[in-house]
This record gives sequence, C-alpha cells and structure tokens, in this order.
Amino acid sequence: AQTVTQSQPEMSVQEAETVTLSCTYDTSESDYYLFWYKQPPSRQMILVIRQEAYKQQNATENRFSVNFQKAAKSFSLKISDSQLGDAAMYFCAYRFTGNQFYFGTGTSLTVIP
Amino acid sequence: AAGVIQSPRHLIKEKRETATLKCYPIPRHDTVYWYQQGPGQDPQFLISFYEKMQSDKGSIPDRFSAQQFSDYHSELNMSSLELGDSALYFCASSFLSIGNTEAFFGQGTRLTVV
Repeated sequence: AQTVTQSQPEMSVQEAETVTLSCTYDTSESDYYLFWYKQPPSRQMILVIRQEAYKQQNATENRFSVNFQKAAKSFSLKISDSQLGDAAMYFCAYRFTGNQFYFGTGTSLTVIP
Repeated sequence: AAGVIQSPRHLIKEKRETATLKCYPIPRHDTVYWYQQGPGQDPQFLISFYEKMQSDKGSIPDRFSAQQFSDYHSELNMSSLELGDSALYFCASSFLSIGNTEAFFGQGTRLTVV
C-alpha cells in the first residue's frame, strides 16, 4: 500500500531564510509522481511543484526546489528566501499513474517577520 | 484561465438530511476526483471518475454516491447526513489522456452538519 509520511507537523522559518520540509513515502512501483501542495488559510489547494520518478534531475520552481532521493523514497521541499505569503499548510502527495493522490498529514509552516 | 468550480461554497444541513455537491472541472479535463478534508486532517480520497466512468474508489461511505455526467461535471450525493460528515469537500480535475499528472483543485465546499 502506498503511504506518505510527513514527520514535521509544524515548522517555522525567519523571513528571507531557507527551510526544508521532509516527506517520505512507501511504494512498490517504479514509475510514479510526487507533488507538494500548499494550502493557505483560504483552504485552497495550490500545486507548488511536481517530480516525475523517472527523472533524476530535481524539480525547481523559482524559490521552491525538491531533493528527490528515489532509493531512499524521500522527497523534501526547500523554500529559499522565505516570504510571509509562504505561510501555509504544505502537503506532500504521491500518485501512481492514473490513480488517486495519497496525501501526507501536512506540515504547518510559519514565517516569522 | 478557467479553474475547477465547486458549488455551493458553503452548505449547512441538519442530521439525516441530504446534500448534493457539484463540481465543474477545467474544460477538456477528463478526470474528476473527490476528497474529504476534516478539521486539521489531510485530504482523504473518496472517489474518482475518468471519462464518466468510476475509475477508483476510496473511503466513501455507502451513504454517499457520485457520478460524472456527459458534460463532465460531477455531483457528490450525500444522504442520511451525520455530524461527522462536516468537512471541506474538494473536487479536483486533471487531463489524463494527454499524460497530465497533476490535479487542479477547486476551492472546496464547506459542509456543516448540525
């Protein structure tokens, strides 16, 4: 069974600093997709970044980047130059092709001015 | 760009009543997912449809049913509502036929059962 684990229920970062959110997952599949979604107080789920398992290169989207370690089944999110607007709940998600998304329990990120 | 539209945004129902939630996916998207997110919880998968056929089923109670119509919009029907059904219900859509793997979420319907 697929499971996604986020071991950090809460994290905080000083504005303009860098923070890393952890995520591990369990799967027997070799071809799958990983995502980080952001859920601000509005509760809207917003896609931050995605990674295809067959790609060795880590995905990057502006200030957001991932460290994808396929053998270790680890998928961490790094937020550089943190901004107040980055404060939100962050969910790591796994998806096997065509099927449902499996979400982790989330990490609440606080950005300190 | 058009996004996933959910209606209503807020709904208050009494116990044992029935509720219908609607989802309008992004145009040309062929897949719809329904998720339930309780207070302080991660989203839990309920059910999905691909090309109007049920494609996957999660922890959806027997009291709930869903379908996807010819225009690709989807409805989640919830009967005999219980207090524990109070949650945020998300609909998401994606375009699987072209290998689009991410899902785009609507703003959710907040259901309160009193």
